[in-house]
Amino acid sequence: DQQVKQNSPSLSVQEGRISILNCDYTNSMFDYFLWYKKYPAEGPTFLISISSIKDKNEDGRFTVFLNKSAKHLSLHIVPSQPGDSAVYFCAASGYNQGGKLIFGQGTELSVKP
Amino acid sequence: DAGVIQSPRHEVTEMGQEVTLRCKPISGHDYLFWYRQTMMRGLELLIYFNNNVPIDDSGMPEDRFSAKMPNASFSTLKIQPSEPRDSAVYFCASSLPGGGTTDTQYFGPGTRLTVL
Repeated sequence: DQQVKQNSPSLSVQEGRISILNCDYTNSMFDYFLWYKKYPAEGPTFLISISSIKDKNEDGRFTVFLNKSAKHLSLHIVPSQPGDSAVYFCAASGYNQGGKLIFGQGTELSVKP
Repeated sequence: DAGVIQSPRHEVTEMGQEVTLRCKPISGHDYLFWYRQTMMRGLELLIYFNNNVPIDDSGMPEDRFSAKMPNASFSTLKIQPSEPRDSAVYFCASSLPGGGTTDTQYFGPGTRLTVL
């Protein structure tokens, strides 16, 4: 059973516009959420995270929003750039997971010039 | 620092053969993780170590899979015998001391395994 789900396998956005990547989770014990970015033939790299005590965290062009009641988080990229084209993984952890990171399936973002 | 190093980068083998994947974590990191990436399931944690000791291997799919960490700078993931359904990209990651498993993990470039 997938505890972390990214229902959109792919997303295409025009350069300069906003990219919104979504992630849903089922385990209410998750208390820490992360986004990783992955380029082809490379390993994932950490992008941004948020604790469950917050509902928003911003880092430059990247903002993560957390809606605990809906068990939903999203990553906003504004403005989108061609270099943002990559696969984005959502991950979650919590006390009952033994500290493990549970990853979603990933969303492939393509930013068109 | 060179980052997390994995070898080989690509491995093609035949069903039934033994496969050994290798990982060198970032120096000074005391957590080491092995993941498997597939299209259907995304990134799955297979096993992780703290100070060379296996902490949680509940993600290891079956007895054909085993992992060791004989010292702080080297770990192996072995599949014996290998099967076509083991074909995937295998990642190793490490994280800083005291950070715990929820802190930033640094991933290697991965090993793409193909079992024919």
